[in-house]
Amino acid sequence: DAGVIQSPRHEVTEMGQEVTLRCKPISGHDYLFWYRQTMMRGLELLIYFNNNVPIDDSGMPEDRFSAKMPNASFSTLKIQPSEPRDSAVYFCASSLPSRKLGHLYTGELFFGEGSRLTVL
Amino acid sequence: SQQGEEDPQALSIQEGENATMNCSYKTSINNLQWYRQNSGRGLVHLILIRSNEREKHSGRLRVTLDTSKKSSSLLITASRAADTASYFCATAGYGQNFVFGPGTRLSVLP
Repeated sequence: DAGVIQSPRHEVTEMGQEVTLRCKPISGHDYLFWYRQTMMRGLELLIYFNNNVPIDDSGMPEDRFSAKMPNASFSTLKIQPSEPRDSAVYFCASSLPSRKLGHLYTGELFFGEGSRLTVL
Repeated sequence: SQQGEEDPQALSIQEGENATMNCSYKTSINNLQWYRQNSGRGLVHLILIRSNEREKHSGRLRVTLDTSKKSSSLLITASRAADTASYFCATAGYGQNFVFGPGTRLSVLP
């Protein structure tokens, strides 16, 4: 398997422009996560999906951020309009929790290589 | 918040020495996981320990979990220069919202 694939790896844009980050999770994984990493705030969970449905978006910083998962193999994170404080590395991760005897056990996360966003 | 907090923030050791990193968290957990991140790369899963386990080994890695103290430690034995990276603990509750600590930057000097 190719792992979690993110694009673009690097994006430099100007303030006010729309940015779209893309993610292809590992085939068969039914959870997808978007994280943001900065020096100041570390790794922050923005949103996660289960079976393409957003479950928790409480980490999305504001209305300028939106995420979609139209199918099991693709997700986007959009920032419109972008601001310099959005500069960060954005990671997508997927997982397949194990299920035994009716219980859901949290599994490991598989991360993509990240999309480094710079907003000038 | 159930956020993990790693300690120390940075650690520098000589090749061949052991490296110990600690993680503390605040609420009940389903499991605790350790990840490594090389500079400019994504995080890579190292080891998972469940809340009913006390110790787990994987190669040169040893993880302990003390749920009464809400703490975990990661021991890397016989460190190598290639172990230089940032190490994060992540706590998972009974949902799927993993929360990561700020990480420990480990430098292994040849």
